Amino acid sequence: TQLLEQSPQFLSIQEGENLTVYCNSSSVFSSLQWYRQEPGEGPVLLVTVVTGGEVKKLKRLTFQFGDARKDSSLHITAAQPGDTGLYLCAVRGNTDKLIFGTGTRLQVFP
Amino acid sequence: EPEVTQTPSHQVTQMGQEVILRCVPISNHLYFYWYRQILGQKVEFLVSFYNNEISEKSEIFDDQFSVERPDGSNFTLKIRSTKLEDSAMYFCASSEGWQVGRSNQPQHFGDGTRLSIL
Repeated sequence: TQLLEQSPQFLSIQEGENLTVYCNSSSVFSSLQWYRQEPGEGPVLLVTVVTGGEVKKLKRLTFQFGDARKDSSLHITAAQPGDTGLYLCAVRGNTDKLIFGTGTRLQVFP
Repeated sequence: EPEVTQTPSHQVTQMGQEVILRCVPISNHLYFYWYRQILGQKVEFLVSFYNNEISEKSEIFDDQFSVERPDGSNFTLKIRSTKLEDSAMYFCASSEGWQVGRSNQPQHFGDGTRLSIL
């Protein structure tokens, strides 16, 4: 079983649509991070959420940490082709290594 | 903005050969990491390095792997005798600091080295 399950695995949408991707676990975490990875590049940190129930906005992206700090969601409003990429959630447990989720590959068509 | 740089961007090596992947972390960072991503799979932790020694390693990081910080700027990953299953993207990352239970400094990733074993 995976520590962090992301869903959906793949998502293809038209420009202007809204979408939500999820990161779920049965474990509790002190914080959770979302990264975006584009082809040929490394993961780039988008946000870190720390408090249960916390909501953070980054332009058209809204991130929420679950009340129990076991899950998180990323909502994109009015998706654009530039949002295309692999979205990864990641956590640190009691060590500094990052544990990544399974990823959601998003394709936004013009 | 400072960034982590990795060389080469693509390395093709015959099975059984040694390979060294190079990374230049961000200059004031103290913690260094290697991760790998096999094609179509998730990013996996290999090793973390602090104060000139390994602080943690995964099951993947067996005796064929080693890391070194030979000078004040480079951080290298060596695979002594490569296998076909070592083919992957290898990412180096660095961060300013980390402390248990705290809201920690993020890890900054390089763009990776694509390692292809033939």
